[in-house]
Amino acid sequence: RKEVEQDPGPFNVPEGATVAFNCTYSNSASQSFFWYRQDCRKEPKLLMSVYSSGNEDGRFTAQLNRASQYISLLIRDSKLSDSATYLCVVNSNNDMRFGAGTRLTVKP
Amino acid sequence: EPEVTQTPSHQVTQMGQEVILRCVPISNHLYFYWYRQILGQKVEFLVSFYNNEISEKSEIFDDQFSVERPDGSNFTLKIRSTKLEDSAMYFCASSEDRGYQPQHFGDGTRLSIL
Repeated sequence: RKEVEQDPGPFNVPEGATVAFNCTYSNSASQSFFWYRQDCRKEPKLLMSVYSSGNEDGRFTAQLNRASQYISLLIRDSKLSDSATYLCVVNSNNDMRFGAGTRLTVKP
Repeated sequence: EPEVTQTPSHQVTQMGQEVILRCVPISNHLYFYWYRQILGQKVEFLVSFYNNEISEKSEIFDDQFSVERPDGSNFTLKIRSTKLEDSAMYFCASSEDRGYQPQHFGDGTRLSIL
């Protein structure tokens, strides 16, 4: 089983749609979780940290399920500018593991 | 907003040559990292550095690689005797603490080995 696994997509959605990504991780001792976005040939940029209680930042909602070892990202009212690759990142003892990313394309 | 800066943005080198990639982490951060991303593939961890020594490294980070913090601001990755397969984007990152705070990435150095 891969350490951090994501559906690679691509997800092609119309503007205004709601889209959700899931990510599973194998190390039950993982301590912290993040979603990053990466535009083509650019650096990963932090989108949001993921807390046990779930957290929301505008149109973005992140959830963590430790029992099932997955995290999720929900994007509401998607914009053209949301088109990117979304990276799930899991940290275990300062060992950051990246998922391969989920490609999202938002179309007019 | 403070940011991680990397130089050069693009480095082209002949196979077998040595390259040094440079990074200036965010000033109050204590942990520093190098990652590699081969075109079309995922981001791969290379090494983490804290208190002037390597704290963790991956299986990719073999004897060909070394890191150094030569002064109070720079953090460098040296690749000796480069190979074609070293062609990739190399990202530097820094963080305030060990694992709970997110890492912040520089905009990368594209390394092309000819």
